[in-house]
Amino acid sequence: KQEVTQIPAALSVPEGENLVLNCSFTDSAIYNLQWFRQDPGKGLTSLLLIQSSQREQTSGRLNASLDKSSGRSTLYIAASQPGDSATYLCAVDSGGSNYKLTFGKGTLLTVNP
Amino acid sequence: DTAVSQTPKYLVTQMGNDKSIKCEQNLGHDTMYWYKQDSKKFLKIMFSYNNKELIINETVPNRFSPKSPDKAHLNLHINSLELGDSAVYFCASSQAAIYGYTFGSGTRLTVV
Repeated sequence: KQEVTQIPAALSVPEGENLVLNCSFTDSAIYNLQWFRQDPGKGLTSLLLIQSSQREQTSGRLNASLDKSSGRSTLYIAASQPGDSATYLCAVDSGGSNYKLTFGKGTLLTVNP
Repeated sequence: DTAVSQTPKYLVTQMGNDKSIKCEQNLGHDTMYWYKQDSKKFLKIMFSYNNKELIINETVPNRFSPKSPDKAHLNLHINSLELGDSAVYFCASSQAAIYGYTFGSGTRLTVV
């Protein structure tokens, strides 16, 4: 059974700082991994999708890496801004006959002006 | 031009009532899902449908009954609502998971 863990559970940083959010998963036989952002009371916004054959994906100030063999992914946010404050969720699709996402519990990020 | 839309956004109801949540996607995806986000914000899959066929049913009480009239719609009907059903329910869709998943904005269900 796939389990996804995100560390830290909460993170508070000053504006402008570079930061890393961590995600680990127990079963390395994944199909892909997706990072989402959730603002309070809102839905999920997809940030980056990494296929199992890829090592990283980049979008603007965001960079996500994947090390499937060690069961780890990181989300790097450069030059953080107050607007980046949200909960960041890591989700793994283990593929197989029944595609579905297994989520971590998220990292609550607060960027202080 | 919303990709995955859910209605209603908020739902407050009394214990014992029956309620439905509707979901529609205009992305042409074959697979749709219902996820539940509990009070601790943990997201967990409930059901998935592929081309109107039930694929995943994750040990959800049979008071919950999904219905897919066509591949663009997946509705969730809940009978005899209980306090513990209070949560945010998210609909999602995908087209060959290689392209990832798209989520709706959620329905906050409060049972009083």
